[in-house]
Amino acid sequence: DVKVTQSSRYLVKRTGEKVFLECVQDMDHENMFWYRQDPGLGLRLIYFSYDVKMKEKGDIPEGYSVSREKKERFSLILESASTNQTSMYLCASSTGQRSPLHFGNGTRLTVT
Amino acid sequence: AQSVAQPEDQVNVAEGNPLTVKCTYSVSGNPYLFWYVQYPNRGLQFLLKYITGDNLVKGSYGFEAEFNKSQTSFHLKKPSALVSDSALYFCAVRDPNYGQNFVFGPGTRLSVLP
Repeated sequence: DVKVTQSSRYLVKRTGEKVFLECVQDMDHENMFWYRQDPGLGLRLIYFSYDVKMKEKGDIPEGYSVSREKKERFSLILESASTNQTSMYLCASSTGQRSPLHFGNGTRLTVT
Repeated sequence: AQSVAQPEDQVNVAEGNPLTVKCTYSVSGNPYLFWYVQYPNRGLQFLLKYITGDNLVKGSYGFEAEFNKSQTSFHLKKPSALVSDSALYFCAVRDPNYGQNFVFGPGTRLSVLP
């Protein structure tokens, strides 16, 4: 089974802090994704990556950046956390267009 | 542009009765369609997908979904609901003409009452 591991289940950060969310997958998938989930809005794509050192903006990239130095690891960075970034963050990976996404358990981030 | 609608925020059904969770989509080409389920404080789990072929697809935990091209729908169904099916369900579409991105619906909360 594919395993996608997010390093933290819960995080509490202060406004203005730099925040790192880490994600690791163990199935050699080319594609990795970061989504945020908010009630009533479903999942919205922040960034995705289809190869090492490659990244593409999703629908809501403002205030975020990403890093993919190794194939198995995809990091989401909040450069200066704000309260409107309080959300559930979900990492996922996949291989190929016909394949489903495999999700981690999510990180619930609260910015105070 | 791709979009997905799940017209019901909440679906309530009695245990043992059939359930349907609705999904309609809009894409420019032939869609790849997926259903996911989310239990509390967990990530999403893949249930089933339609890529091509038979319009009725079967998935995990006894769920199935029917692809209807003329109605642009992909409704999730189960003949007999269990209390343990209570969860949040997401429909997602991928347009192969637009790369790797999935577009998700807003989700439908299913409650199965004992």
